[in-house]
Amino acid sequence: GENVEQHPSTLSVQEGDSAVIKCTYSDSASNYFPWYKQELGKRPQLIIDIRSNVGEKKDQRIAVTLNKTAKHFSLHITETQPEDSAVYFCAAGEGNEKLTFGTGTRLTIIP
Amino acid sequence: DGGITQSPKYLFRKEGQNVTLSCEQNLNHDAMYWYRQDPGQGLRLIYYSQIVNDFQKGDIAEGYSVSREKKESFPLTVTSAQKNPTAFYLCASSMLGGQPQHFGDGTRLSIL
Repeated sequence: GENVEQHPSTLSVQEGDSAVIKCTYSDSASNYFPWYKQELGKRPQLIIDIRSNVGEKKDQRIAVTLNKTAKHFSLHITETQPEDSAVYFCAAGEGNEKLTFGTGTRLTIIP
Repeated sequence: DGGITQSPKYLFRKEGQNVTLSCEQNLNHDAMYWYRQDPGQGLRLIYYSQIVNDFQKGDIAEGYSVSREKKESFPLTVTSAQKNPTAFYLCASSMLGGQPQHFGDGTRLSIL
């Protein structure tokens, strides 16, 4: 089955700086890669996703890049703000019917 | 997402007791999922269902059971066979065909 590894497990950045979270996956059949943000005690919320037919996708301060050859994808957050502090999860799957999640990255934005 | 309702928010179980977690969605989504979340770990898939009266085991199905009698409902039973049930349980739903999963607010289950 699919195996997703996520790094780093914790990340602290100064407000205004950029944050990068990286994930690798094992199953070359995976073609859907979403990213979720989870605030303490709350539900995970989809922030961006990418499919295997594109290499990069942006939405305002958030971007995701995908390297199918190397089987890795990354989340980039620019101009970080205090409200970006949360746990971020990557996931991979074939379609979205069965996703495998990474273990999460706790991002702390330092004012 | 307001369209996925999980209840109760907190649940306590005694040793040897089965408990059922509720998940209802009014989004007309075909697929529904149950995940378990432990501290410091990602979400692990317990069961999922793509159509009524059909469901598949996920990665950690042992000690759990589900039913899908209605499109909008996917209850999860944590049986006494699940020896370490304390966790945060999340239900999700999605349309088929590669659409994003949307989550409920979760149920936190603890052992008395």
